[in-house]
Amino acid sequence: EPEVTQTPSHQVTQMGQEVILRCVPISNHLYFYWYRQILGQKVEFLVSFYNNEISEKSEIFDDQFSVERPDGSNFTLKIRSTKLEDSAMYFCASGKDREAFFGQGTRLTVV
Amino acid sequence: AQRVTQPEKLLSVFKGAPVELKCNYSYSGSPELFWYVQYSRQRLQLLLRHISRESIKGFTADLNKGETSFHLKKPFAQEEDSAMYYCALRKMGTYKYIFGTGTRLKVLA
Repeated sequence: EPEVTQTPSHQVTQMGQEVILRCVPISNHLYFYWYRQILGQKVEFLVSFYNNEISEKSEIFDDQFSVERPDGSNFTLKIRSTKLEDSAMYFCASGKDREAFFGQGTRLTVV
Repeated sequence: AQRVTQPEKLLSVFKGAPVELKCNYSYSGSPELFWYVQYSRQRLQLLLRHISRESIKGFTADLNKGETSFHLKKPFAQEEDSAMYYCALRKMGTYKYIFGTGTRLKVLA
């Protein structure tokens, strides 16, 4: 069964550094998402992407964040200058219709 | 504002006992409701959605618009049901899911 895959599984970065989290969505899916989960808290929506553009974003998704689908298969989340509070589990998801399929997540630790 | 509330952080039941994981939502329109499950060290997986009215792994959930609830039920819990369960709402016409805080279900032998 096809799955959404995310790399790396764990990323440690210094505060102020840029990070790129990578995702390979399921191949015939049309909608792409990023969510994050700070330890002990709920899964929070960051952004949705459809037809090569952002369709919706949350207030968390400020100018430090950007998304890209550079080559038709990868879907990336870039955090330009990481802060300590960006430490979280980041989940990519993709969907074709009504439901989203999630990746296994990337744990980002900002030190 | 749309919100999903799961009042229980942890629910422990004995194997064979009935389970009910509570979910309430607030939304002014017609939402789509889902239950996602996360087994230990695994990804979030869709368990069921209200539109399908299906039963997966013995779990069912009925949307009650009057009570704005979408509780997840199973008549006889199994040890392998132990996991984190998230209720989620998707606003019609958008691609955004709003998750509850999750309930950890522990099924004891």
